[in-house]
Parts: sequence; structure tokens; C-alpha cells
Amino acid sequence: GAVVSQHPSWVICKSGTSVKIECRSLDFQATTMFWYRQFPKQSLMLMATSNEGSKATYEQGVEKDKFLINHASLTLSTLTVTSAHPEDSSFYICSARKAPTNNEQFFGPGTRLTVL
Amino acid sequence: RKEVEQDPGPFNVPEGATVAFNCTYSNSASQSFFWYRQDCRKEPKLLMSVYSSGNEDGRFTAQLNRASQYISLLIRDSKLSDSATYLCVTGGFQKLVFGTGTRLLVSP
Repeated sequence: GAVVSQHPSWVICKSGTSVKIECRSLDFQATTMFWYRQFPKQSLMLMATSNEGSKATYEQGVEKDKFLINHASLTLSTLTVTSAHPEDSSFYICSARKAPTNNEQFFGPGTRLTVL
Repeated sequence: RKEVEQDPGPFNVPEGATVAFNCTYSNSASQSFFWYRQDCRKEPKLLMSVYSSGNEDGRFTAQLNRASQYISLLIRDSKLSDSATYLCVTGGFQKLVFGTGTRLLVSP
């Protein structure tokens, strides 16, 4: 199998606080994990690519100091939204890839973030 | 121009109908192609990969035309459970690019 979990599934926080989202590959080791964001009625937009043991690669327009990514092991990547604002409210989805030569990505169930 | 373009729909069809979705992509260097299905407020799930030779999986048939940079998905004998948003996805070496999706509503 290829199961990816995310925690929490939803979170509500106050403006200015930080929120950490975890992404875990449960039954395989993920050399690469990806973080996406999806606003209502829009497509998934890649935020960053995370390789275990190295710094994440951020897409253009994504602030690396605001969206901190840590990929400390082959089964865990975390995304921390620092000093969250209402415009950061979105559906955050992670995915994981089993092998560098295989383009297929397995998606987590997503985390719905609401910033008040 | 978006890298992957789809008609957002919605496509309203009765049960049993055949429906086709199309998608165009602008990056000629794209190497892999997929259709994903996304239910409301859920993560996308892989429906099928798409190959130039065309491929079929039960009621679903996908086709890729590299020369025209065009991808299609045909659903035969639509079921109520097929109601969802269908995402056209292209991939390069590292990353996937998603279209905004085409919404399908199958009614009794």
C-alpha cells in the first residue's frame, strides 16, 4: 500500500499564531514530499518540494520564512505556518513519492486551516 | 495562460450517460499525465495514468495526443458515485501541475 496521513485534519487559530501540520507516510519511505495549497474552486498549487535531509525548494511567490518545512525523516515532513493571517486560510495537502524515478504521488487527506 | 486548462463545468448528466472531458496543456516537456478525482473537501485520488496509446480501466478511457497537447477522459455508463471533480494533471521530473478540474454531476 501507500498510505499518507496528515494531522490535524482541521484547525482553527487566531491571527498571529503559528500552526504546525504533520505529514506521514505510514507504510513506505518517502524520498520526497510535496506541500500543496488549494483555495475554494481553485486548483492545487504546489508550495514546496521537500527532500529528506535537505532544505525544501519553494515555488515562486511562496515565502519560505512564513511556511517552514522540515523533512527530518523518510516518513515525516512538517509544514509550519508562522504568524498566520486570515488570507492563509486554505486546504493544505501533502503528498509523498516512493522513489525518485516514479512520478506517482500519494496524497494525504488534507488539513483545513481557518485563521480568525 | 494556465499550464493546464480544463472546462470547469459543471457537466450535468443522467445515470447511464457517456460523458467526455478534455484538457490542454502548454508545457511540451511534460513527461507524465494523469487524471485524478477529487470529492468535495477531500484530497485528490489517482483515477488513471494516461498514455499515448490510450488506456482503459473499466468504464474509463483516457487518451493523450502529444502533438496537440491534449488529454481526454471518457466515462461510460455514468453512475451516481461518479459525481466529483476530475483533475487533469501533467508531470515533469519533479512536480505535478494540476488543472482546476471539471465538475461532474450525475443525476438519477
